[in-house]
Amino acid sequence: KAGVTQTPRYLIKTRGQQVTLSCSPISGHRSVSWYQQTPGQGLQFLFEYFSETQRNKGNFPGRFSGRQFSNSRSEMNVSTLELGDSALYLCASSFSDRGYNEQFFGPGTRLTVL
Amino acid sequence: KNEVEQSPQNLTAQEGEFITINCSYSVGISALHWLQQHPGGGIVSLFMLSSGKKKHGRLIATINIQEKHSSLHITASHPRDSAVYICAAANTGNQFYFGTGTSLTVIP
Repeated sequence: KAGVTQTPRYLIKTRGQQVTLSCSPISGHRSVSWYQQTPGQGLQFLFEYFSETQRNKGNFPGRFSGRQFSNSRSEMNVSTLELGDSALYLCASSFSDRGYNEQFFGPGTRLTVL
Repeated sequence: KNEVEQSPQNLTAQEGEFITINCSYSVGISALHWLQQHPGGGIVSLFMLSSGKKKHGRLIATINIQEKHSSLHITASHPRDSAVYICAAANTGNQFYFGTGTSLTVIP
């Protein structure tokens, strides 16, 4: 089975721009979660989608949004980029939307905002 | 106060030593996850626990639900165990709360 894939792997943007990141889960997985990792804050939960519905959202501003398609692929969007948005963005997929399910992480997209 | 507290933040050990990383959480959980992150960013799930103890090779994870505490043990540590270990508490809604991670360096 192919693992979780994320594209692009690296991205450089300037302040004020917007960015869209993509995540393809493991085949058969219907839950996709997004996380932000920074040296200062560590890993933080952004949101989770299950069957095209956002089930949970972390404590992030409305500039961060996402969606999930019928094939379970997910995208997250960050508008009006700020320097502090520079981070590693990870997505993880699991079979169901319950916490007792192993999470499979993608390699991440490293976003640099200049 | 963070929902998940992890200690120590940094750990250096000699090859062969027994290592323990601790995790305390304050949220109600459906599972406690231990994750490993190597330089470069890739995260691998090591264990998922809701009770008791699990063992995989030289790694052992335990959880005490009443005390809201979990430990990750590495027996006979090896330089390839050098990584960041992250504890994560998952609630029933699949929302994850992460510890700050323990950076482990095993010296040959």
